[in-house]
Amino acid sequence: GDSVTQMEGPVTLSEEAFLTINCTYTATGYPSLFWYVQYPGEGLQLLLKATKADDKGSNKGFEATYRKETTSFHLEKGSVQVSDSAVYFCALSVWNTGNQFYFGTGTSLTVIP
Amino acid sequence: GAVVSQHPSRVICKSGTSVKIECRSLDFQATTMFWYRQFPKQSLMLMATSNEGSKATYEQGVEKDKFLINHASLTLSTLTVTSAHPEDSSFYICSATGERESQPQHFGDGTRLSIL
Repeated sequence: GDSVTQMEGPVTLSEEAFLTINCTYTATGYPSLFWYVQYPGEGLQLLLKATKADDKGSNKGFEATYRKETTSFHLEKGSVQVSDSAVYFCALSVWNTGNQFYFGTGTSLTVIP
Repeated sequence: GAVVSQHPSRVICKSGTSVKIECRSLDFQATTMFWYRQFPKQSLMLMATSNEGSKATYEQGVEKDKFLINHASLTLSTLTVTSAHPEDSSFYICSATGERESQPQHFGDGTRLSIL
């Protein structure tokens, strides 16, 4: 079935360090891929998305490229800030299953000054 | 961008009380709404999926008589936790999506439910 496997955390980085959070997926159809961010005590916010192979989603310095050959959608940021501390969720949706979403388990990121 | 409003943001009540949580899509028609439960430092657990005008589809292990979901219009879904007990204390989050392919889910800010 459809699923998302996400790198386990927690991840702790110093400010201005490079961030990678790995995400791989399994899907029977042609999924759309998403990264969501959850700040403490809040709901989830869409961070970026990609809807087809080789698309690159980007927002707030974060990027992720839809790699069909490796079934991956890794999240990257070149220089993290303390304000990036949050939990990050990778997700996929497949239209032919009624737009059902599948979420990864989440990766907690803490950035220290 | 699309906005989903969830209300209330926090509820504290006595055991045995029923609690209603509202989820509204403010600027798009939400053909599908999802209800999630999240325990501390854990991922989202999908409870149910509701489509406007039809009965909700509950995930395995979720009591439909305990968690009543109504999706009466394209902009409003409600979750009622009936006769709540302390073990129902949790963070409940709704999300909504439209009918276009590849449309993301848009999330509410969540409701912190505490049952005393």
